[in-house]
Amino acid sequence: EPEVTQTPSHQVTQMGQEVILRCVPISNHLYFYWYRQILGQKVEFLVSFYNNEISEKSEIFDDQFSVERPDGSNFTLKIRSTKLEDSAMYFCASSEGGEIEKLFFGSGTQLSVL
Amino acid sequence: GEDVEQSLFLSVREGDSSVINCTYTDSSSTYLYWYKQEPGAGLQLLTYIFSNMDMKQDQRLTVLLNKKDKHLSLRIADTQTGDSAIYFCAESIHDKIIFGKGTRLHILP
Repeated sequence: EPEVTQTPSHQVTQMGQEVILRCVPISNHLYFYWYRQILGQKVEFLVSFYNNEISEKSEIFDDQFSVERPDGSNFTLKIRSTKLEDSAMYFCASSEGGEIEKLFFGSGTQLSVL
Repeated sequence: GEDVEQSLFLSVREGDSSVINCTYTDSSSTYLYWYKQEPGAGLQLLTYIFSNMDMKQDQRLTVLLNKKDKHLSLRIADTQTGDSAIYFCAESIHDKIIFGKGTRLHILP
């Protein structure tokens, strides 16, 4: 069964450093998403991406965050200058069309900012 | 506003039924979902229900939706040790999904 792949599974970084979280969505999917879950809190929507541009973003997704689809397979989330409060599990998701009911999630990248 | 609430823990004996409850606030939701997260794994879509339905059954899973009370429940019949996981209730609003905090289901022998 096709799946969304995220790398790395764990990332440790120093405060102020840049990190790039990588995702390979399912190959025929057109809509891509990032969510995050701070320990003990809700899974929160960050951003949705379609046709090489952001279609919606939350208030969490400020100027420190950016997303990119650098080639035909990868979808990345960059945090320019990490803060302690960016520590969370980051989930990538994709869907084939705009069918929100068929969202497939990756297994997540645990980001720890020290 | 957009909010999904669910209890954080549930303990059930193996073989009994588990019922996980959820309330949501946005009446414009199109779909309501139950996701399952096992340790070290991603969010797996278990089942979903369209907002104009009131019940959906899929093998051991039964979803009940009370749209008037904005209440969603997931019943797992004959709960097994493999059902031990965190279960997330979620609703769709426009093109994003709003999740609850998750209910950790613990299975007692």
